Amino acid sequence: KAGVTQTPRYLIKTRGQQVTLSCSPISGHRSVSWYQQTPGQGLQFLFEYFSETQRNKGNFPGRFSGRQFSNSRSEMNVSTLELGDSALYLCASSLTTATNEKLFFGSGTQLSVL
Amino acid sequence: SQQGEEDPQALSIQEGENATMNCSYKTSINNLQWYRQNSGRGLVHLILIRSNEREKHSGRLRVTLDTSKKSSSLLITASRAADTASYFCALTPDSWGKFQFGAGTQVVVTP
Repeated sequence: KAGVTQTPRYLIKTRGQQVTLSCSPISGHRSVSWYQQTPGQGLQFLFEYFSETQRNKGNFPGRFSGRQFSNSRSEMNVSTLELGDSALYLCASSLTTATNEKLFFGSGTQLSVL
Repeated sequence: SQQGEEDPQALSIQEGENATMNCSYKTSINNLQWYRQNSGRGLVHLILIRSNEREKHSGRLRVTLDTSKKSSSLLITASRAADTASYFCALTPDSWGKFQFGAGTQVVVTP
């Protein structure tokens, strides 16, 4: 069974631009979560989607948005990029939203904002 | 904060030694999980312990949970160079919410 796939692996953007990251979950998994990882802040929860609906949202500005499609694939978008948005963005999938589910992570998208 | 806080931030040991790291939190939880991350990659699930459990084992891993102290520990016995990674605790509050990760413990195992 294929794992969680994130594309692209690396991105370089400039301030003010926007970016879209993609995540394909493990087949059959309906929950997709996004995390931002920076050296100083660790993993920060962005949002979670289940069956095309946003279930939870972290404390990020409205420039960060996401969506989930009917095949459970998910995208996140960051508009008006800032230098501080440089980070590793991780996507994780699980079968359901139950709290005893373990998360399966992709390898992440490394975003650099210049 | 609902996040777990790992301690120490970094740990350096030699192969064959045990590595112990701790996670403290502030809210009541449903369960607590530990994950490992190799440099620049995604996280891999190691073990889950429920709030009504006190100890769990998986191979060379031993996890304890003390809900009265709001803390958990992860012990890796007989460390190997391949155990070099960052280790994160992830907790799920018993209120509505999703996994909250700490900043991690960076473990370096030297041959």
